[in-house]
Amino acid sequence: SQQGEEDPQALSIQEGENATMNCSYKTSINNLQWYRQNSGRGLVHLILIRSNEREKHSGRLRVTLDTSKKSSSLLITASRAADTASYFCASISSGSARQLTFGSGTQLTVLP
Amino acid sequence: DVKVTQSSRYLVKRTGEKVFLECVQDMDHENMFWYRQDPGLGLRLIYFSYDVKMKEKGDIPEGYSVSREKKERFSLILESASTNQTSMYLCASSQRRSSGNTIYFGEGSWLTVV
Repeated sequence: SQQGEEDPQALSIQEGENATMNCSYKTSINNLQWYRQNSGRGLVHLILIRSNEREKHSGRLRVTLDTSKKSSSLLITASRAADTASYFCASISSGSARQLTFGSGTQLTVLP
Repeated sequence: DVKVTQSSRYLVKRTGEKVFLECVQDMDHENMFWYRQDPGLGLRLIYFSYDVKMKEKGDIPEGYSVSREKKERFSLILESASTNQTSMYLCASSQRRSSGNTIYFGEGSWLTVV
């Protein structure tokens, strides 16, 4: 079963605009992570937010976490064509220390 | 630089063949994972291992087995490949600690079963 579900499934924006992707999850978590995947490649870790954190920044990335709503969002500011990729949220549930469960991803296209 | 290497990038196998997908990591990680990725389904965990010779089933272990004889190597085995196992397979590894685990992925192996 999918622990995380991203929304929207696909997003197309112009270069320079901000991109927001949302993720919902079902069970209590220790932390939530966001990954990026270029077409046909492996996933690359972007950012991790712990369950006791509400917001985290890394460069042009901003992640929020609302544990009461079991949701997270990833904001990419001032997007670039090179940001075109699929973005996945992944979580470690409180009862399982080792497994990351991934959502189905958001395909982001940034048009030049 | 951390590295997870999957030995085969593209494979084409016949139905019924035995298939080995090999994965090696050079980060001395305790945990290793095999996922498959299919359109619209995201990543699904097949098996994982948290120590040499240890393995645990993930969400979709049917039709697969694994081997972890050495810490750095985790093999995925398809005993008798079927067409519904055509997919992209991703190997990953992480450190043992229980929280804040960043997972490092290989580049993926595209398997086509005909």
